Amino acid sequence: ILNVEQSPQSLHVQEGDSTNFTCSFPSSNFYALHWYRWETAKSPEALFVMTLNGDEKKKGRISATLNTKEGYSYLYIKGSQPEDSATYLCADAGGTSYGKLTFGQGTILTVHP
Amino acid sequence: NAGVTQTPKFRILKIGQSMTLQCTQDMNHNYMYWYRQDPGMGLKLIYYSVGAGITDKGEVPNGYNVSRSTTEDFPLRLELAAPSQTSVYFCASSYPSYEQYFGPGTRLTVT
Repeated sequence: ILNVEQSPQSLHVQEGDSTNFTCSFPSSNFYALHWYRWETAKSPEALFVMTLNGDEKKKGRISATLNTKEGYSYLYIKGSQPEDSATYLCADAGGTSYGKLTFGQGTILTVHP
Repeated sequence: NAGVTQTPKFRILKIGQSMTLQCTQDMNHNYMYWYRQDPGMGLKLIYYSVGAGITDKGEVPNGYNVSRSTTEDFPLRLELAAPSQTSVYFCASSYPSYEQYFGPGTRLTVT
């Protein structure tokens, strides 16, 4: 993996469904992996910064896991609500602490009532 | 705390004109960043700064310049605007190794 790739590109779920999406990133020279939530007409807001292999983080109904050896992270949303509708971005910090993030193209989540 | 503020919110430029996008943060963050967001292309880093007086290029720096004379301010200068610079520009700031806080964005159209 040379770039940061996210899948799927978009996802439609019903309210109450649980869902997950994937972020793949270069596994060599890893420093940190960021997740952001981006609602339409707003600016991105941080969800998690993950640094350790095997790391699991949770914020309310949203959680994330990290596998640095194979270069992937999963974001999970339990019991999706319409207000979870947003674009979810992951970003690779590229081996340094400078925050030079390389973003994936995002997963667009739509939760239907 | 205002967080990260950007001005202007919207701007239309003619080809060849110049302008400065302003960014200010009041969180005393060392690091500041400029990104552009093109449809279907995600966010791309233009320039970043790790402190006053220190700046460096990101992934897409051509056609832009920055300066950082204070901790709070990180203006982005566009010289000789081109249609390819039509985009939404986001400024962000952070502490080292922590999450980034984004401003509300500036929507720029070059015609």
